[in-house]
Amino acid sequence: NAGVTQTPKFRVLKTGQSMTLLCAQDMNHEYMYWYRQDPGMGLRLIHYSVGEGTTAKGEVPDGYNVSRLKKQNFLLGLESAAPSQTSVYFCASSYSTGPLNSPLHFGNGTRLTVT
Amino acid sequence: LAKTTQPISMDSYEGQEVNITCSHNNIATNDYITWYQQFPSQGPRFIIQGYKTKVTNEVASLFIPADRKSSTLSLPRVSLSDTAVYYCLVGDMRFSGGYNKLIFGAGTRLAVHP
Repeated sequence: NAGVTQTPKFRVLKTGQSMTLLCAQDMNHEYMYWYRQDPGMGLRLIHYSVGEGTTAKGEVPDGYNVSRLKKQNFLLGLESAAPSQTSVYFCASSYSTGPLNSPLHFGNGTRLTVT
Repeated sequence: LAKTTQPISMDSYEGQEVNITCSHNNIATNDYITWYQQFPSQGPRFIIQGYKTKVTNEVASLFIPADRKSSTLSLPRVSLSDTAVYYCLVGDMRFSGGYNKLIFGAGTRLAVHP
């Protein structure tokens, strides 16, 4: 039982390049989330999904797209990377029964640098 | 959404008890209080959750006064491994998808010294 796995762990992109971050969970969770964390700041929600085939915007969705084709996977895409997207990206998942007694499970993050 | 205020940083020494207070003056009736812990280079991890009075688990205790306008996370006898950032979250936890409405602030950076 690996929990939430994020790949890659590190990536350096040039401005304008594209990439996809992969999040996989093996806990059969319905809900999945993508956050970004910048130095000295908390986590900000980018996009989330309440189930296979569904996605929704979070607090800071601009410049990102997501897909949830399979229940266990949640992909975060950057179509044209910008230096402002340099950050640490965290994926999380949770059960659908509600956050009460159903905590978020986080991956260990992807550190992305855009030059 | 209830806004939370925590100290930016705290220092402690091994073996001491650490209390981190979170203010949430506009907490709503259905809001719960949840604390997460984040170690360097890792994602946050759930510590404890409560609604009122006192909650205790194997890691920490959570004290919530009757007016619920603040809460205190208590870590007994801290060790070096408790050095981390601690986040206080307040929100309605009863319904599915509640996490999309919760806000992780900057948290409290706790440093435990030998």
